[in-house]
Amino acid sequence: SQTIHQWPATLVQPVGSPLSLECTVEGTSNPNLYWYRQAAGRGLQLLFYSVGIGQISSEVPQNLSASRPQDRQFILSSKKLLLSDSGFYLCAWSVGDNQPQHFGDGTRLSIL
Amino acid sequence: AQSVTQPDIHITVSEGASLELRCNYSYGATPYLFWYVQSPGQGLQLLLKYFSGDTLVQGIKGFEAEFKRSQSSFNLRKPSVHWSDAAEYFCAGSNDYKLSFGAGTTVTVRA
Repeated sequence: SQTIHQWPATLVQPVGSPLSLECTVEGTSNPNLYWYRQAAGRGLQLLFYSVGIGQISSEVPQNLSASRPQDRQFILSSKKLLLSDSGFYLCAWSVGDNQPQHFGDGTRLSIL
Repeated sequence: AQSVTQPDIHITVSEGASLELRCNYSYGATPYLFWYVQSPGQGLQLLLKYFSGDTLVQGIKGFEAEFKRSQSSFNLRKPSVHWSDAAEYFCAGSNDYKLSFGAGTTVTVRA
């Protein structure tokens, strides 16, 4: 069966520090991969999606970037975090377009 | 613009009572529709999906949803709510790679 792992579960970082969140999927090949941010009391905002290694599409211009160095690995990064980057970050995968997306347990990021 | 709307921000229901969560969609063509549930501090779990065919869709945990094209709705229902159903529920729609989520409905279950 397929599983998705996301870490760390919680992270507290100072303003201006770098960020790296990792997501890996097991049990499937060539998945679509997604990064979302969920602000408190709000819905999910799609940040990035990827249909293959090295292929990244950005939905919202911002302080973050994403990379996909391996088929089942998706990384969310920032060189300098802002206070507004605080939130709950969720990674998801699907077998293709219009298919259900399956979510990791999320990372709670707090910026001080 | 293509979107999904959940009109109810918060619903309180008694344990054992029925539950219905509303979802309306706005798409040029019939989208693929989903319902997800999120417990506090957790990721989202897929409850059910609608692609085509039978308009009444059965999901996990005793949930079902009905697609009504005439009303552009995809409402989620459960006949008898359990305390463990307290969570946030998201409706989502897709007609390509992008899943558009509603703002969510928080369900509180009272004893």
